[in-house]
Amino acid sequence: AQRVTQPEKLLSVFKGAPVELKCNYSYSGSPELFWYVQYSRQRLQLLLRHISRESIKGFTADLNKGETSFHLKKPFAQEEDSAMYYCAPRQRDSSYKLIFGSGTRLLVRP
Amino acid sequence: NAGVTQTPKFQVLKTGQSMTLQCAQDMNHNSMYWYRQDPGMGLRLIYYSASEGTTDKGEVPNGYNVSRLNKREFSLRLESAAPSQTSVYFCASTRDRVTGELFFGEGSRLTVL
Repeated sequence: AQRVTQPEKLLSVFKGAPVELKCNYSYSGSPELFWYVQYSRQRLQLLLRHISRESIKGFTADLNKGETSFHLKKPFAQEEDSAMYYCAPRQRDSSYKLIFGSGTRLLVRP
Repeated sequence: NAGVTQTPKFQVLKTGQSMTLQCAQDMNHNSMYWYRQDPGMGLRLIYYSASEGTTDKGEVPNGYNVSRLNKREFSLRLESAAPSQTSVYFCASTRDRVTGELFFGEGSRLTVL
């Protein structure tokens, strides 16, 4: 069965500390991977996708096919990064459905 | 620019009552989705519509029906609400379901007593 796992429900760090939000997937083939973010009182929105290989708001995510992971990283966390983060693989079958992980709440303390 | 609009934002139902959640997008997107969000479980796909005139089941379709009324609108119906359907419901849309990002509504909080 295809699965995505975000093992941490809550990650609490101090401002300026490095952050790594873990995402592991179990998929046949090579899914396309995304990170979505939901800030307080805002809509869920796309943060970044692995195909773009870009850095958004200081966050990067590398696809590690060997470990089947797509961890989200930022070297120096800011208070405004506090939010709910969802890893989401897109199935590469005829449905192209986006399946979300259970999410990790990041809390950046001053 | 409204994007994806969901109504109502809040609703309380009694067990057995029916209701319809409405979703409309003004971005000329082809594909639309309904997810539910429960604590500790993230977002789970209920139904989706790849294009106007088509609908397909997602991970948790039982107890729900959908209608893709036209390209703009995608409604979710609970025929006989159950407490297990207490959740926050999100509608989303994308121009291109193969490569595009999803744009989400603000969510509808439903409580079934």
